[in-house]
Amino acid sequence: EMQLVESGGGLVQPGGSLRLSCEASGFSFGSYWMHWVRQAPGQGLVWVSLFSSDGFTTTYADSVRGRFTISRDNAKNTLYLDMHSLRSDDTAVYYCASQLGGDAFDLWGHGTLVTVST
Amino acid sequence: DIQLTQSPSSLSASVGDRVTVTCRASQSISTYVSWYQQKPGKPPRLLIYAASILQSGVPSRFTGSGSGTDFTLTITSLQPDDFATYYCQQSYLFYPTFGGGTKVEI
Repeated sequence: EMQLVESGGGLVQPGGSLRLSCEASGFSFGSYWMHWVRQAPGQGLVWVSLFSSDGFTTTYADSVRGRFTISRDNAKNTLYLDMHSLRSDDTAVYYCASQLGGDAFDLWGHGTLVTVST
Repeated sequence: DIQLTQSPSSLSASVGDRVTVTCRASQSISTYVSWYQQKPGKPPRLLIYAASILQSGVPSRFTGSGSGTDFTLTITSLQPDDFATYYCQQSYLFYPTFGGGTKVEI
């Protein structure tokens, strides 16, 4: 079964840091582009970052550029998101998602909640 | 960036109703649109990609249409399991954007 499982969320103070992980199984992880998408409480979906399968392309939403870093370890089938200088408006459920069949996000993790608060 | 505007933001409907959700792009995006369904506490579920192609396992009462800047998701006969929030998403640019969502309520 193809699966994505996120971990690493939790409560962090403003200005703090956190590392999210997304472990993939059931498919050839290294062959696919991977993304992070977040959803603030009661709000819509917002794309955060991507990492291409060939390793040459990483891109970030304007709201996180310079504070977040995406990376992947294909040997461990794991995608990461290092988050620094966290703000209250970074509070959200963070999903990893993949595009196995083409352009659409056809596989999603269950999400991990990040809460930035004192 | 490409902006996607969904309308309405919410709607009330009954079982058996025909429901239509619209997504308008700020520039032409050919047919690079996908539609997702999301229920509370769950991740999104892909319904339709390439504007009109039904994802495997999705009921045929869901249909998508459109190209260029205007796209539509239609549920031909609303079922109890369909009460959820629906999002469009563009993949014309390699960094995607989502519409604001449409909540379908009873």
